[in-house]
Amino acid sequence: NAGVTQTPKFQVLKTGQSMTLQCAQDMNHNSMYWYRQDPGMGLRLIYYSASEGTTDKGEVPNGYNVSRLNKREFSLRLESAAPSQTSVYFCASKGQGFVGRPYTQYFGPGTRLTVL
Amino acid sequence: AQTVTQSQPEMSVQEAETVTLSCTYDTSESDYYLFWYKQPPSRQMILVIRQEAYKQQNATENRFSVNFQKAAKSFSLKISDSQLGDAAMYFCAYEDNNDMRFGAGTRLTVKP
Repeated sequence: NAGVTQTPKFQVLKTGQSMTLQCAQDMNHNSMYWYRQDPGMGLRLIYYSASEGTTDKGEVPNGYNVSRLNKREFSLRLESAAPSQTSVYFCASKGQGFVGRPYTQYFGPGTRLTVL
Repeated sequence: AQTVTQSQPEMSVQEAETVTLSCTYDTSESDYYLFWYKQPPSRQMILVIRQEAYKQQNATENRFSVNFQKAAKSFSLKISDSQLGDAAMYFCAYEDNNDMRFGAGTRLTVKP
């Protein structure tokens, strides 16, 4: 049981390039989330998906798109990367964790993205 | 929009001592959840403790406990018998209706 996995772990882009961050969870959770974490700040919600087939904007959605491919996978796409999108990106899913774990959001290990 | 404030950017504690991290939040909702997450240098977000707003009893998890004051909108974390492995960034978070908001964090240093 891997929990929440993210790929890639690191990425460097040039301004204007596009890329997709991948996220998958194996806990059979309905809800999934994308956050960004900037230096000196807590995580901020970009988009979330309450269930397969639905997505909603969070606090900072501009410049991003998401796709809930199926129950397991939730991807985040940057169509035209900008230096302001340099950040650490976290994916999370919400539900009951593995046996004995509480009902809460479980986070992936993060992707460090640098846009030059 | 809901906001979460952590007024202590950095805190320090001696090993085996007790430390309290502060958190306040702003909301007009009556039903919500509060969390403390730990983020070590590995960047992994680790749930420390969770509190449902409708529960008056303060949550505890081994050496970690909270002081939840709903009327004051305050949610502090007490770490007892601090250990070197407790050194990390600690984030307070508020959640309602799939919207989770985080504070800016408190960096905890544990001195041997």
